[in-house]
Amino acid sequence: GESVGLHLPTLSVQEGDNSIINCAYSNSASDYFIWYKQESGKGPQFIIDIRSNMDKRQGQRVTVLLNKTVKHLSLQIAATQPGDSAVYFCAENRGNTPLVFGKGTRLSVIA
Amino acid sequence: EPEVTQTPSHQVTQMGQEVILRCVPISNHLYFYWYRQILGQKVEFLVSFYNNEISEKSEIFDDQFSVERPDGSNFTLKIRSTKLEDSAMYFCASSVTGTGDYGYTFGSGTRLTVV
Repeated sequence: GESVGLHLPTLSVQEGDNSIINCAYSNSASDYFIWYKQESGKGPQFIIDIRSNMDKRQGQRVTVLLNKTVKHLSLQIAATQPGDSAVYFCAENRGNTPLVFGKGTRLSVIA
Repeated sequence: EPEVTQTPSHQVTQMGQEVILRCVPISNHLYFYWYRQILGQKVEFLVSFYNNEISEKSEIFDDQFSVERPDGSNFTLKIRSTKLEDSAMYFCASSVTGTGDYGYTFGSGTRLTVV
């Protein structure tokens, strides 16, 4: 897979604004998708998931949108807070195959 | 809330030395994984383990790597002869099902530094 290197895509948002983080996934056969949040020095933390038979799923302040036609996944965070600052990864799999992580996006919330 | 526990949190080792990274998965989980993350890069799959055997491994997981579940609670990753490029964060994860439903639960990682 393509390496991100040291230069993660970065998204800076004002506190209180909505954030949209995008992900292009690689395998058209994938049927399960997850967004993870990774804070500095910690492991990835599950945020929300979606199956391929859905195109939208909502959680608390978060919404995931899935567009299978263009293999695109997005995470929307409403009313972004400083605690949302982290690196966000999408992950995908099919059946019992291991989760494959995509490139991360660093979200910085400006107070 | 149940956690995946990893020890040590940071390991510094000489090139060529063997290291063992330890993990205690969540007790009712049946599927176990190791991933690694080189600084600033994405999380990469190494190996999955179920029913006391490797179920899948990546190209990264070569003969220098091995995993073991020595008892009912621990899950270890051994690197036989470390190289500089093995320096990374190593994450253990576990899940109830092999399909990844509800995601894997990850530990906080072991930062391995090879000098």
